[in-house]
Amino acid sequence: DGGITQSPKYLFRKEGQNVTLSCEQNLNHDAMYWYRQDPGQGLRLIYYSQIVNDFQKGDIAEGYSVSREKKESFPLTVTSAQKNPTAFYLCASTGQGSQPQHFGDGTRLSIL
Amino acid sequence: GQQVMQIPQYQHVQEGEDFTTYCNSSTTLSNIQWYKQRPGGHPVFLIQLVKSGEVKKQKRLTFQFGEAKKNSSLHITATQTTDVGTYFCAVPAGNNRKLIWGLGTSLAVNP
Repeated sequence: DGGITQSPKYLFRKEGQNVTLSCEQNLNHDAMYWYRQDPGQGLRLIYYSQIVNDFQKGDIAEGYSVSREKKESFPLTVTSAQKNPTAFYLCASTGQGSQPQHFGDGTRLSIL
Repeated sequence: GQQVMQIPQYQHVQEGEDFTTYCNSSTTLSNIQWYKQRPGGHPVFLIQLVKSGEVKKQKRLTFQFGEAKKNSSLHITATQTTDVGTYFCAVPAGNNRKLIWGLGTSLAVNP
Protein backbone atom coordinates (compact mmCIF):
# COMPACT_ATOMS: atom_id res chain seq x y z
CA ASP A 1 0.00 0.00 0.00
CA GLY A 2 1.69 3.21 -1.13
CA GLY A 3 1.84 6.21 1.08
CA ILE A 4 3.72 8.41 3.50
CA THR A 5 4.62 7.22 6.97
CA GLN A 6 5.45 9.63 9.76
CA SER A 7 6.73 8.55 13.13
CA PRO A 8 6.30 8.86 15.97
CA LYS A 9 2.68 9.97 16.21
CA TYR A 10 3.37 11.79 19.49
CA LEU A 11 6.70 13.14 20.72
CA PHE A 12 7.80 14.97 23.82
CA ARG A 13 10.89 17.13 23.97
CA LYS A 14 12.84 18.11 27.00
CA GLU A 15 14.51 21.49 27.43
CA GLY A 16 17.71 21.73 25.38
CA GLN A 17 17.05 18.51 23.50
CA ASN A 18 17.11 17.88 19.77
CA VAL A 19 14.45 15.54 18.43
CA THR A 20 14.09 13.97 14.99
CA LEU A 21 10.81 13.32 13.22
CA SER A 22 10.77 10.59 10.62
CA CYS A 23 9.09 10.76 7.20
CA GLU A 24 9.25 7.90 4.70
CA GLN A 25 7.40 7.59 1.39
CA ASN A 26 7.09 4.72 -1.08
CA LEU A 27 5.30 6.71 -3.77
CA ASN A 28 8.52 7.28 -5.76
CA HIS A 29 7.96 11.02 -5.41
CA ASP A 30 10.83 13.40 -6.06
CA ALA A 31 9.74 16.30 -3.89
CA MET A 32 9.14 16.21 -0.16
CA TYR A 33 8.02 18.89 2.31
CA TRP A 34 7.79 19.62 6.01
CA TYR A 35 5.02 21.83 7.36
CA ARG A 36 4.22 23.12 10.79
CA GLN A 37 0.60 23.62 11.83
CA ASP A 38 -0.41 25.43 15.01
CA PRO A 39 -3.94 25.10 16.47
CA GLY A 40 -6.49 26.76 14.25
CA GLN A 41 -3.79 27.86 11.82
CA GLY A 42 -2.83 27.07 8.27
CA LEU A 43 0.24 25.23 7.01
CA ARG A 44 3.63 26.91 7.23
CA LEU A 45 6.50 25.50 5.19
CA ILE A 46 9.65 24.63 7.13
CA TYR A 47 11.85 22.96 4.49
CA TYR A 48 11.39 21.26 1.17
CA SER A 49 13.47 19.08 -1.10
CA GLN A 50 13.03 18.62 -4.83
CA ILE A 51 15.76 16.02 -5.34
CA VAL A 52 18.06 13.83 -3.29
CA ASN A 53 20.93 15.64 -1.56
CA ASP A 54 19.29 19.02 -2.06
CA PHE A 55 16.84 21.00 0.06
CA GLN A 56 15.68 24.58 0.50
CA LYS A 57 14.48 26.64 3.42
CA GLY A 58 10.83 27.43 3.67
CA ASP A 59 9.21 30.32 5.51
CA ILE A 60 10.07 29.21 9.06
CA ALA A 61 13.32 27.23 8.83
CA GLU A 62 15.02 28.72 11.89
CA GLY A 63 15.55 26.13 14.62
CA TYR A 64 15.02 23.20 12.25
CA SER A 65 17.30 21.06 10.08
CA VAL A 66 16.70 18.37 7.45
CA SER A 67 18.57 15.89 5.30
CA ARG A 68 17.68 14.10 2.09
CA GLU A 69 20.15 11.26 1.66
CA LYS A 70 17.59 8.92 0.10
CA LYS A 71 14.64 9.61 -2.19
CA GLU A 72 12.29 7.85 0.22
CA SER A 73 13.32 9.64 3.40
CA PHE A 74 13.21 13.26 4.59
CA PRO A 75 13.78 13.45 8.37
CA LEU A 76 13.25 16.71 10.26
CA THR A 77 15.27 17.63 13.34
CA VAL A 78 13.78 20.12 15.77
CA THR A 79 16.78 21.64 17.49
CA SER A 80 17.04 23.24 20.91
CA ALA A 81 17.23 26.57 19.09
CA GLN A 82 13.53 26.26 18.27
CA LYS A 83 12.07 27.85 21.39
CA ASN A 84 8.43 27.16 20.64
CA PRO A 85 8.35 23.69 19.10
CA THR A 86 4.90 22.62 20.27
CA ALA A 87 2.90 22.04 17.09
CA PHE A 88 1.56 19.48 14.64
CA TYR A 89 4.20 18.57 12.04
CA LEU A 90 3.12 17.32 8.64
CA CYS A 91 5.27 15.72 5.97
CA ALA A 92 4.14 15.69 2.34
CA SER A 93 5.41 14.53 -1.02
CA THR A 94 4.53 15.13 -4.63
CA GLY A 95 5.33 13.72 -8.03
CA GLN A 96 6.23 15.47 -11.26
CA GLY A 97 4.73 18.75 -12.42
CA SER A 98 1.85 20.28 -10.49
CA GLN A 99 0.58 17.06 -8.97
CA PRO A 100 -1.15 17.34 -5.61
CA GLN A 101 0.67 16.83 -2.35
CA HIS A 102 0.15 13.66 -0.35
CA PHE A 103 0.44 13.93 3.41
CA GLY A 104 1.45 11.66 6.25
CA ASP A 105 -0.65 11.38 9.41
CA GLY A 106 1.54 13.91 11.21
CA THR A 107 3.54 14.07 14.44
CA ARG A 108 2.35 16.03 17.47
CA LEU A 109 5.32 17.49 19.33
CA SER A 110 5.05 18.86 22.85
CA ILE A 111 7.49 20.23 25.40
CA LEU A 112 7.90 18.40 28.70
CA GLY B 1 5.53 37.79 -1.91
CA GLN B 2 2.63 35.99 -3.49
CA GLN B 3 -0.32 35.45 -1.17
CA VAL B 4 -3.69 33.85 -1.36
CA MET B 5 -6.54 35.16 0.76
CA GLN B 6 -9.17 32.70 1.93
CA ILE B 7 -12.49 33.70 3.49
CA PRO B 8 -14.28 33.23 5.75
CA GLN B 9 -11.99 31.91 8.47
CA TYR B 10 -14.85 30.11 10.22
CA GLN B 11 -18.36 29.08 9.26
CA HIS B 12 -20.96 27.51 11.48
CA VAL B 13 -24.05 26.11 9.75
CA GLN B 14 -27.08 23.97 10.50
CA GLU B 15 -27.08 20.60 8.82
CA GLY B 16 -28.75 20.98 5.43
CA GLU B 17 -27.61 24.56 4.86
CA ASP B 18 -25.20 25.45 2.11
CA PHE B 19 -21.57 26.53 2.61
CA THR B 20 -19.11 28.44 0.45
CA THR B 21 -15.44 29.31 0.90
CA TYR B 22 -13.52 31.65 -1.36
CA CYS B 23 -9.89 32.06 -2.35
CA ASN B 24 -8.50 35.19 -3.97
CA SER B 25 -5.10 35.94 -5.47
CA SER B 26 -3.63 39.22 -6.67
CA THR B 27 -1.85 37.40 -9.50
CA THR B 28 -3.07 35.12 -12.27
CA LEU B 29 -2.82 31.49 -11.28
CA SER B 30 -1.77 28.52 -13.38
CA ASN B 31 -3.92 26.27 -11.24
CA ILE B 32 -5.49 26.01 -7.81
CA GLN B 33 -5.85 22.99 -5.56
CA TRP B 34 -8.37 22.33 -2.80
CA TYR B 35 -7.78 20.15 0.26
CA LYS B 36 -9.87 19.05 3.23
CA GLN B 37 -8.50 18.40 6.71
CA ARG B 38 -10.74 16.60 9.17
CA PRO B 39 -10.26 17.44 12.86
CA GLY B 40 -7.14 15.66 14.08
CA GLY B 41 -6.27 14.52 10.58
CA HIS B 42 -4.07 15.55 7.71
CA PRO B 43 -4.97 17.50 4.54
CA VAL B 44 -6.42 15.37 1.79
CA PHE B 45 -6.45 16.50 -1.83
CA LEU B 46 -9.92 17.15 -3.24
CA ILE B 47 -9.45 18.64 -6.69
CA GLN B 48 -7.29 20.75 -8.98
CA LEU B 49 -8.66 23.43 -11.30
CA VAL B 50 -6.65 24.52 -14.31
CA LYS B 51 -8.85 26.17 -16.93
CA SER B 52 -10.35 29.66 -16.86
CA GLY B 53 -14.01 29.49 -15.79
CA GLU B 54 -13.73 25.79 -14.98
CA VAL B 55 -16.50 24.22 -12.88
CA LYS B 56 -16.09 20.75 -11.40
CA LYS B 57 -18.48 18.78 -9.22
CA GLN B 58 -17.95 16.02 -6.71
CA LYS B 59 -21.33 14.92 -5.39
CA ARG B 60 -22.49 17.87 -3.23
CA LEU B 61 -19.25 19.83 -3.74
CA THR B 62 -18.91 22.35 -6.58
CA PHE B 63 -15.56 23.94 -7.38
CA GLN B 64 -15.18 27.01 -9.58
CA PHE B 65 -12.16 28.76 -11.07
CA GLY B 66 -12.69 32.40 -12.03
CA GLU B 67 -12.57 33.63 -15.59
CA ALA B 68 -9.46 35.69 -14.83
CA LYS B 69 -7.89 32.73 -12.93
CA LYS B 70 -7.42 34.91 -9.84
CA ASN B 71 -10.13 33.46 -7.64
CA SER B 72 -11.84 30.21 -6.82
CA SER B 73 -14.68 28.93 -4.70
CA LEU B 74 -15.80 25.71 -3.09
CA HIS B 75 -19.54 25.34 -2.51
CA ILE B 76 -21.15 22.54 -0.52
CA THR B 77 -24.86 21.98 -1.02
CA ALA B 78 -26.94 20.72 1.90
CA THR B 79 -24.11 20.22 4.38
CA GLN B 80 -23.84 17.05 6.43
CA THR B 81 -21.94 16.38 9.64
CA THR B 82 -19.38 14.47 7.58
CA ASP B 83 -18.43 17.77 5.91
CA VAL B 84 -16.93 19.08 9.16
CA GLY B 85 -13.29 20.09 8.81
CA THR B 86 -11.03 22.78 7.45
CA TYR B 87 -10.96 23.46 3.73
CA PHE B 88 -7.75 24.85 2.25
CA CYS B 89 -6.93 26.26 -1.12
CA ALA B 90 -3.33 26.10 -2.36
CA VAL B 91 -1.62 27.64 -5.36
CA PRO B 92 1.79 27.09 -6.99
CA ALA B 93 4.58 29.43 -5.92
CA GLY B 94 6.37 30.43 -9.09
CA ASN B 95 8.53 27.90 -10.92
CA ASN B 96 9.45 25.77 -7.96
CA ARG B 97 7.26 23.05 -6.58
CA LYS B 98 6.15 24.82 -3.45
CA LEU B 99 2.52 25.57 -2.73
CA ILE B 100 1.21 28.72 -1.11
CA TRP B 101 -1.62 27.83 1.23
CA GLY B 102 -4.65 29.81 2.23
CA LEU B 103 -5.31 29.98 5.97
CA GLY B 104 -8.28 27.68 5.56
CA THR B 105 -11.98 27.88 6.34
CA SER B 106 -13.11 25.81 9.31
CA LEU B 107 -16.61 24.43 8.87
CA ALA B 108 -18.73 23.35 11.82
CA VAL B 109 -22.08 21.67 11.18
CA ASN B 110 -24.84 21.48 13.78
CA PRO B 111 -26.86 18.27 13.47
